Amino acid sequence: EVRLLESGGDLVPPGGSLRLSCAASGFIFSGYAMSWVRQAPGKGLEWVSTISGTGDATYFADSVKGRFTISRDQSKNTLYLQMHSLRAEDTALYYCAKDQGHPLENYFFDHWGQGTLVAVSS
Amino acid sequence: QSVLTQPPSVSGAPGQRVTISCTGSSSNIGAGFDVHWYQQLPGTAPKVLIHGNTDRPSGVPDRFSGSKSGTSASLVITGLQADDEADYYCQSFDSSLRGSKVFGGGTKLTVL
Repeated sequence: EVRLLESGGDLVPPGGSLRLSCAASGFIFSGYAMSWVRQAPGKGLEWVSTISGTGDATYFADSVKGRFTISRDQSKNTLYLQMHSLRAEDTALYYCAKDQGHPLENYFFDHWGQGTLVAVSS
Repeated sequence: QSVLTQPPSVSGAPGQRVTISCTGSSSNIGAGFDVHWYQQLPGTAPKVLIHGNTDRPSGVPDRFSGSKSGTSASLVITGLQADDEADYYCQSFDSSLRGSKVFGGGTKLTVL
């Protein structure tokens, strides 16, 4: 059974930094791209970032480019999202999601975690 | 403003059929990229309902079906049930932004 467990969400002041983690199990972690998707309170879903299965390709939404980095530790089956220069509009529930499909342009999210909450406020 | 446009809400009585549209452009749906649909029940994480325009994962009832034509896609739900009440999102890829997956704004389905 695929399981994705996010952690690291917290209340941080504007301009602060935070690192989210997603522990994965139940599948061959290095064989799949992984993504972060966020949902602001009462709003819709927004794709944030994707990393390839090997970790050598990363992609970011324009709203976070230059502020967020995505990485993965294959030995720990863990996905990360490092967030810097946080803004109020980054406040959201951050979901970790496993990518599926081929090619990259047709990827979809076949499994989701339960999310970790990031609140940016002074 | 979402790249993919969905109606904010739809409704139907139990047993009825409803359609949720997802309208894109020539850089996403119209470019031939697949459309996927997700169901988000209240207080839960999204779950894939339809992938690759028309494919249902195992466990998803055949009351749910998807289609795509031109720059638009649709999710059809037949035989509406009370527990279908949820938010529904379409998702695709947009070639105007590197590596960019895009979502519709979401549609709230109310079962009357």
